[in-house]
Amino acid sequence: NAGVTQTPKFQVLKTGQSMTLQCAQDMNHNSMYWYRQDPGMGLRLIYYSASEGTTDKGEVPNGYNVSRLNKREFSLRLESAAPSQTSVYFCASSEGGGGLFLNTEAFFGQGTRLTVV
Amino acid sequence: QQQVKQSPQSLIVQKGGISIINCAYENTAFDYFPWYQQFPGKGPALLIAIRPDVSEKKEGRFTISFNKSAKQFSLHIMDSQPGDSATYFCAASRDTGRRALTFGSGTRLQVQP
Repeated sequence: NAGVTQTPKFQVLKTGQSMTLQCAQDMNHNSMYWYRQDPGMGLRLIYYSASEGTTDKGEVPNGYNVSRLNKREFSLRLESAAPSQTSVYFCASSEGGGGLFLNTEAFFGQGTRLTVV
Repeated sequence: QQQVKQSPQSLIVQKGGISIINCAYENTAFDYFPWYQQFPGKGPALLIAIRPDVSEKKEGRFTISFNKSAKQFSLHIMDSQPGDSATYFCAASRDTGRRALTFGSGTRLQVQP
């Protein structure tokens, strides 16, 4: 059982280049999230998808786009990378949705360390 | 605007000691308060969580204390061990945890042998 898988693990981009970070979960979770982690700032929410077919902005969405390709996959795209986007990116998933006995635990991938030069 | 404030930023504790990390929140709509543990090179993992209908929750050596009126909650690690050395994040969520987590800034804990 792989949980949440992110690719790539490391990436170096030049300013202005574009790239897509991939995320897949095999837990049949409804909700998926993208966070960025920067020193001294914790994890900040970029975008999330509460269910297949929906996406919403989080705290720091500027410069990013997302696609919820299907229930398993949630990708994050940087259209024109900037040095300020140098960070560690984490994808997460949780059961989410409705239901009385909701399991609220969020499971995280191992992260993508992105450097923009 | 930081909705969840965490302190201290770093903490050094001797083996066998008690580690205490504090968090304060502003949004009274928050109703789910988890703590996540992160080891270097890994993603965060859920350690323990509490809902505001109780003031304390204990799981092994880890205890969350919750003060709803003060809008504060804390993590206590009893008998701290070198293996507890990690970064700890408090977090909060709305709608009984259905909403995305808002994280604190993190505390880097070092437990010295």
